[in-house]
Parts: sequence; C-alpha cells; structure tokens
Amino acid sequence: DAGVTQSPTHLIKTRGQQVTLRCSPKSGHDTVSWYQQALGQGPQFIFQYYEEEERQRGNFPDRFSGHQFPNYSSELNVNALLLGDSALYLCASSADPTRTYEQYFGPGTRLTVT
Amino acid sequence: AQSVTQLDSQVPVFEEAPVELRCNYSSSVSVYLFWYVQYPNQGLQLLLKYLSGSTLVKGINGFEAEFNKSQTSFHLRKPSVHISDTAEYFCAVSEGSGAQKLVFGQGTRLTINP
Repeated sequence: DAGVTQSPTHLIKTRGQQVTLRCSPKSGHDTVSWYQQALGQGPQFIFQYYEEEERQRGNFPDRFSGHQFPNYSSELNVNALLLGDSALYLCASSADPTRTYEQYFGPGTRLTVT
Repeated sequence: AQSVTQLDSQVPVFEEAPVELRCNYSSSVSVYLFWYVQYPNQGLQLLLKYLSGSTLVKGINGFEAEFNKSQTSFHLRKPSVHISDTAEYFCAVSEGSGAQKLVFGQGTRLTINP
C-alpha cells in the first residue's frame, strides 16, 4: 500500500515565477492538507481540501491556491514566487477532514526560489 | 488560538543516556497532542499521540510521553537513546475532535554523541 506521495522531490524557481506541486493521498484517504516548513521551523498549515473544496485555510496570502481532483489527489499552486517561499512543502492525507490524529505525511517537495 | 512551545531548540546527549524533550501548549479547549520525528531530508513520521485516557502514552522506537493537563505539557522521553535517534522532533497540537489542522512547535534537534 503506497503511502502519501509527492512530486517533484526538488524544484528550483526564479522570483516571480509560478509553481505547481502535486500530492497523491494514501489509499482510502479523501482529505489532503498542505503545510509549509521553512528552514529551521516547524510546519505551518496552508490549507485543507475535502470533496474538491478548500475547507480551512491558514494565514497564507492568496498567491497560494490549490485544487483537489475527483481521485482525491491535490495540487498546490504558488504564484509570483518570493524568496521567502523557499521551503519544504508537506502534504498530509487523512480519511476524514477532522481526523487530524490520523494524518499521514508525504516526504515533501523542497522548493528553492532564487 | 492554540500554540506550542518546544523549550529546547537543540539537545545533545550521549548514546545510551536518557533524554527528555520538552513541550508546552496553549489552548482554551480540549486538545489532541502529538510528537513527530523528521529524519534528514525526509517527511514527518508520527511517534505517538494523546487523544484521551491514560496520560502516559507509549510510541514507536521506545519513546513515551506524558500528558499533564495542569501544567499544559506533553514531554517526550526515552530511557536510552541510540545513534539512530538523531533527528528533529516536533510537538504538535490539534483542537481535539473536529479539528482540521495541526499546529506545530519550532522543533528540537536531538543529537546523539557516541
């Protein structure tokens, strides 16, 4: 049983560009949450998707947007990249939007903005 | 709003010595509490969680944690550490039943010296 998978593993972008990160949830899970982990910091909640809708959002600007597909996979899009967007982006899945105690994390995508 | 404070950013210990990583939280409602481990260049792995019941929680790799409601603490302990325990450890809280996100502390880097 594959766990949470994310692609790509690493990504280098230039300021002002746009980026799309992808996540496939663990089998049987229908909820996807995204977190940003800056270097030396703990992960911060960006938003959660369930039933193809954004259900809850953290304190992130509108440059961060997402999407969930009918197969429950998800994308995180970041527009107008800033140097401060450099971070490890983690995807977590669960079988229910309120089951934080059953969230499984993927290996992350490391984004570097130059 | 919830918050998590990990009292030590770095903890160096010798192999086979005991270790305690400290975590305090702030919340106005009942909470679920978690400890995650992150090995270099990897995602987050759940060590243990407290949802309800016994305040002493046992997790993987010989770790345990004790929930202390009066002191709003959830310290992680291991009686004898191994070189392989070298990693970053994160304490996290969610707002109990119905919560949709995890709030993480800043992390504690555990370094095991031979």
